[in-house]
Amino acid sequence: QKEVEQNSGPLSVPEGAIASLNCTYSDRGSQSFFWYRQYSGKSPELIMSIYSNGDKEDGRFTAQLNKASQYVSLLIRDSQPSDSATYLCAVIRASGSRLTFGEGTQLTVNP
Amino acid sequence: DTAVSQTPKYLVTQMGNDKSIKCEQNLGHDTMYWYKQDSKKFLKIMFSYNNKELIINETVPNRFSPKSPDKAHLNLHINSLELGDSAVYFCASSPLLTRNTGELFFGEGSRLTVL
Repeated sequence: QKEVEQNSGPLSVPEGAIASLNCTYSDRGSQSFFWYRQYSGKSPELIMSIYSNGDKEDGRFTAQLNKASQYVSLLIRDSQPSDSATYLCAVIRASGSRLTFGEGTQLTVNP
Repeated sequence: DTAVSQTPKYLVTQMGNDKSIKCEQNLGHDTMYWYKQDSKKFLKIMFSYNNKELIINETVPNRFSPKSPDKAHLNLHINSLELGDSAVYFCASSPLLTRNTGELFFGEGSRLTVL
């Protein structure tokens, strides 16, 4: 079982729609969860972090965490073509020494 | 000023050659990393150093040897290159990871192509 799993996609949504990206993790003791965005040919950059069950909103982005289900998601409201990128879910495990990434979900927002 | 800089950005080389990638960070972070990203975008940790001390060494062939002369620099040397080594190698830095800090600052990546 992979430590962090994501649907590789690609996920395609029309401009203005809500994009929903999902991630599951295997280590129940994991403490901290992150979403990174990576544009084609560029390096990953952190866009959201979440540590407690529930929702965390930042502008058009909402991260959701459910530790009982070992599930993290990222919602992007009012999707824009500039949101087209690969979104990487990342987890710090209970040991706390490393950030483990999922394989990423490629999102395309169509004008 | 670039926070995390890697050189070179592109390497094209023949199988069996040896190559090095250099990385420097000016963020004052204690921890540096090498990640490998394959063609499917999977970002996999290879090594991590904290204050020049190796703290993570994943299952990586011993043809790969990291070196950290000081906490601002982490270099990667690869011997006897193989076709499967073709990938983008990212250097990153961060404060020491804790429960509440998971932000890695990545360099621009070094794309290695082995022919």
